[in-house]
Amino acid sequence: ETGVTQSPTHLIKTRGQQVTLRCSSQSGHNTVSWYQQALGQGPQFIFQYYREEENGRGNFPPRFSGLQFPNYSSELNVNALELDDSALYLCASSSDSSGNTIYFGEGSWLTVV
Amino acid sequence: GIQVEQSPPDLILQEGANSTLRCNFSDSVNNLQWFHQNPWGQLINLFYIPSGTKQNGRLSATTVATERYSLLYISSSQTTDSGVYFCAVGGNQFYFGTGTSLTVIP
Repeated sequence: ETGVTQSPTHLIKTRGQQVTLRCSSQSGHNTVSWYQQALGQGPQFIFQYYREEENGRGNFPPRFSGLQFPNYSSELNVNALELDDSALYLCASSSDSSGNTIYFGEGSWLTVV
Repeated sequence: GIQVEQSPPDLILQEGANSTLRCNFSDSVNNLQWFHQNPWGQLINLFYIPSGTKQNGRLSATTVATERYSLLYISSSQTTDSGVYFCAVGGNQFYFGTGTSLTVIP
């Protein structure tokens, strides 16, 4: 139990649709990062939010966007879904922007058909 | 970005055996963590170990930062140790290896 919760746990979307994934960070954590994990691969960094501001972005197109709210929960939005977006999306929280120790949620499994 | 290589990619052990997992990384880092991913996808933090040695029960880890590698030791393996082990390095952004898939058979 890491204290990081994600929703939904599983979802199926059609190519071209939009999806919103949600994450509640561990209590007291002000930094949230999102990762995409394709089957058989390690997680890849999408972006990080620190105190409601984007604090770093990986090699993902602009149709991947996010938000962090005053309570430090976060959303990941993906527009114009493509088949290759099918993956496990992981949220991680930490206590400061340097990400000393990070704690992951159970992830959201997205299937795009 | 930082390259992270893990070996071996797959490992099958008899229950009770010991194993060593290796992580090599291509650049200096100020943060290195080991994770265990269970079959449901959850990543569990095992060690925060940018340098030095730590032990937690049957698990221990050593990072030699100057030589850019880290080792995870699993002793007296149990079936519940099965899963994928990831090494992640970085700071704000973590770079993950492709993992070591461990299967422990009774």
